[in-house]
Amino acid sequence: EADIYQTPRYLVIGTGKKITLECSQTMGHDKMYWYQQDPGMELHLIHYSYGVNSTEKGDLSSESTVSRIRTEHFPLTLESARPSHTSQYLCASSEAVGEGTYNEQFFGPGTRLTVL
Amino acid sequence: EDQVTQSPEALRLQEGESSSLNCSYTVSGLRGLFWYRQDPGKGPEFLFTLYSAGEEKEKERLKATLTKKESFLHITAPKPEDSATYLCAVQVYGQNFVFGPGTRLSVLP
Repeated sequence: EADIYQTPRYLVIGTGKKITLECSQTMGHDKMYWYQQDPGMELHLIHYSYGVNSTEKGDLSSESTVSRIRTEHFPLTLESARPSHTSQYLCASSEAVGEGTYNEQFFGPGTRLTVL
Repeated sequence: EDQVTQSPEALRLQEGESSSLNCSYTVSGLRGLFWYRQDPGKGPEFLFTLYSAGEEKEKERLKATLTKKESFLHITAPKPEDSATYLCAVQVYGQNFVFGPGTRLSVLP
């Protein structure tokens, strides 16, 4: 069973609020990811990290930011939430097995964010 | 550009009616192809990794196969609990995973 956790599971918040979505994994994986997924739609990569102090933007432009100061922790922050940010946010991690190669991703349960 | 497509978009089966889902990819330097199952409102759950053409993996009623251009997920005698969205993803050396749009499978009792 995957040891990757996300909190909160559900969040309803008003426009303009600052929020942080938490993601932690206990598998010691170097690479971590944040995806955004609307109901019934594709996964879109918004951020990823190769390890501590490494953060990169993904394929989908996002107003969120991430940080990685510990291997196991990869939080995502929205400075000012808007209704367009309403979505499900999924965190994942994977184990490096060589230069630029990784094993399967393990996903957290997701955070369902609703911005009113 | 690396691309992954899946077909059909949605599939409805009667319990016990076997079928296959398709994942086609156009990438250079495939390192691995991954199958996931995703239940509504949850994160994807890993099923299989396939690395080379001709490889097969099995788990309960599911069998995944790989050719140079596509992968199939065969579902034998499905049950209602197999209803989910099935995602495939490819990894190219040095790149992030590329996910397909998924196939929504419904198995009716």
